[in-house]
Amino acid sequence: AQSVTQLDSQVPVFEEAPVELRCNYSSSVSVYLFWYVQYPNQGLQLLLKYLSGSTLVKGINGFEAEFNKSQTSFHLRKPSVHISDTAEYFCASYTDKLIFGTGTRLQVFP
Amino acid sequence: DTGVSQDPRHKITKRGQNVTFRCDPISEHNRLYWYRQTLGQGPEFLTYFQNEAQLEKSRLLSDRFSAERPKGSFSTLEIQRTEQGDSAMYLCASSLGVEQFFGPGTRLTVL
Repeated sequence: AQSVTQLDSQVPVFEEAPVELRCNYSSSVSVYLFWYVQYPNQGLQLLLKYLSGSTLVKGINGFEAEFNKSQTSFHLRKPSVHISDTAEYFCASYTDKLIFGTGTRLQVFP
Repeated sequence: DTGVSQDPRHKITKRGQNVTFRCDPISEHNRLYWYRQTLGQGPEFLTYFQNEAQLEKSRLLSDRFSAERPKGSFSTLEIQRTEQGDSAMYLCASSLGVEQFFGPGTRLTVL
């Protein structure tokens, strides 16, 4: 069965600092991987996705992620965060449905 | 294209009452998904449709829950005899391929 683990429930960081949100997945078959962002009282917005090809994936708002098959990881990174990046971030894997991690709350301080 | 819409956005009900939520997917999307998200957790899969056929139901979906997609367009999710544990955000998503597009959700509060 597939599963997704987000290792950090909260990540505090100062504005303009780099950030990495960690995600590990497990699956017995090939998976597609996603990162979503959720602002308060809103639905989920897709940041980026890995389907195949290049292991470095670039998404919206300056985010990128690297697919590492040997470490079964798909960590999300941003070189310089803004206050507006404060939100909940979810990693998810897909076979015929999305399986989400428990989320990481990114809190950006001025 | 107006995206995925859900109605109502908020619902407060008393324990034991029935509630029904509606989801309108992106028009050309053939797959429609329902997820439930409780506070501090990621969304959990409930069920999905391909056109009008309900292809999979999670074990989370008790007998009190029923979902329909009668003409392969909009979908409804009904909860009968609501319980306080049903309080959550109910998210709908639609897709044509792998990528799913989410609606804003319906927040249910059961008193």
